[in-house]
This record gives sequence, structure tokens and C-alpha cells, in this order.
Amino acid sequence: DQQVKQNSPSLSVQEGRISILNCDYTNSMFDYFLWYKKYPAEGPTFLISISSIKDKNEDGRFTVFLNKSAKHLSLHIVPSQPGDSAVYFCAASGDSGYALNFGKGTSLLVTP
Amino acid sequence: DAGVIQSPRHEVTEMGQEVTLRCKPISGHNSLFWYRQTMMRGLELLIYFNNNVPIDDSGMPEDRFSAKMPNASFSTLKIQPSEPRDSAVYFCASSPRLGLAGGGDTGELFFGEGSRLTVL
Repeated sequence: DQQVKQNSPSLSVQEGRISILNCDYTNSMFDYFLWYKKYPAEGPTFLISISSIKDKNEDGRFTVFLNKSAKHLSLHIVPSQPGDSAVYFCAASGDSGYALNFGKGTSLLVTP
Repeated sequence: DAGVIQSPRHEVTEMGQEVTLRCKPISGHNSLFWYRQTMMRGLELLIYFNNNVPIDDSGMPEDRFSAKMPNASFSTLKIQPSEPRDSAVYFCASSPRLGLAGGGDTGELFFGEGSRLTVL
């Protein structure tokens, strides 16, 4: 059963605008959340993370927001750039201690 | 520094054949993970090792799948016999974890480029 859900398989955004990628989780034991970015024919690479004791973490153009009561997190990219076009995976850990549970991913396309 | 190295990058085989996927983790990392990516299920954890010891293999689909980590710098994932439904991209990842009772663990994994398996 999928404990981390990304309900939007794809998203298209114009360059310069904001991209918002969403993620929901079901396991209240998760205490650390990560976003990974994946280009075709490459492995996922770490992008940004947030601990459950925070509700926001920012790194340059990337901000992750966590709403624990709603079991929801989102990744904001602003401004979006064509190079941001990739598949973004949401991941969570805490239940089994160290293994990451991944969502199915959202494919982001940033058009010029 | 070299990242996680996986081989082969691509494998095409016929149903019933044995497949062996290989992984060299980042030096100094003491945790190693095998994930499988499919369109239907996304990234699924198959098994993970800590200090070369298998910790959780509950994600291994069935007895046809086996994984070993004979030393800190090498791991294999074997499928015998392979079936068409095993076709997927298999990722190996490693992590510099401090151990099961350690703190300061950010949970970040470092992935290899994956092995794309096609079983005909």
C-alpha cells in the first residue's frame, strides 16, 4: 500500500512562473521528508528535505512546506526554469527507521 | 569522488534466464539499498543492508529474488528465473548512516544511474 502519494503524474508550467508539486502521506510515524529530482537515464538526486519539527525549509529557488496535521507537503520552485524539467519524487522516512518510502513521482515540464 | 556504480546499465534477457545486477556503493557509506522503479508502482524498496547485514528484505517480491553484500564495497541483486514482469529499472543507493542507533541521520540516499532490465 502506497504510504506516500503524489496524485499528479504530470505538471506543465511556463518559464518564470511558480511550480507547485504536492505530496500526501498516510503514516503519522514519518518524521523526515525529502524531495528527489530525476532526469531521464539518471538516478534520482537529492534536492531538499524537511524535518517534521519544521513547517518550511528554503534553499534558493526551492521551498518545501510541511503541514503535519494534513499529512501534506509541497515543493515550490520559483521562478521555474526549463532545466527544472524532470521527474520529482517525494520521499519520507521514520517508520522503519532508515528506509525511504517514495511516491510515484510527478513529471514537471517547464516551457519557455 | 566516484558515486554509486551499477552494472550493467542495460540488460535484455529471455524469460527463465538468471540475471545478476551489481552495485558498488560510495566508499565509507555503511548502508546500501536496492530499489525498483516501474510505471505502475514508482520506486519500491526491495531490500537494504546496514554494515553488510540485510536489515529489511520485506520488499523482495518473491523467492526468485535474492541479494547479497559480501563486503562493504559490493552488492548483487539476483533474479532466477527471470520473468517478463521483472522488467524495470533497478537502482542501488548508499547512505553514510551512523548505524541503527546513531543520530544526525538526514535520510539522504545517493543513487546510482540504474540498471534497466528487459525480460522478453
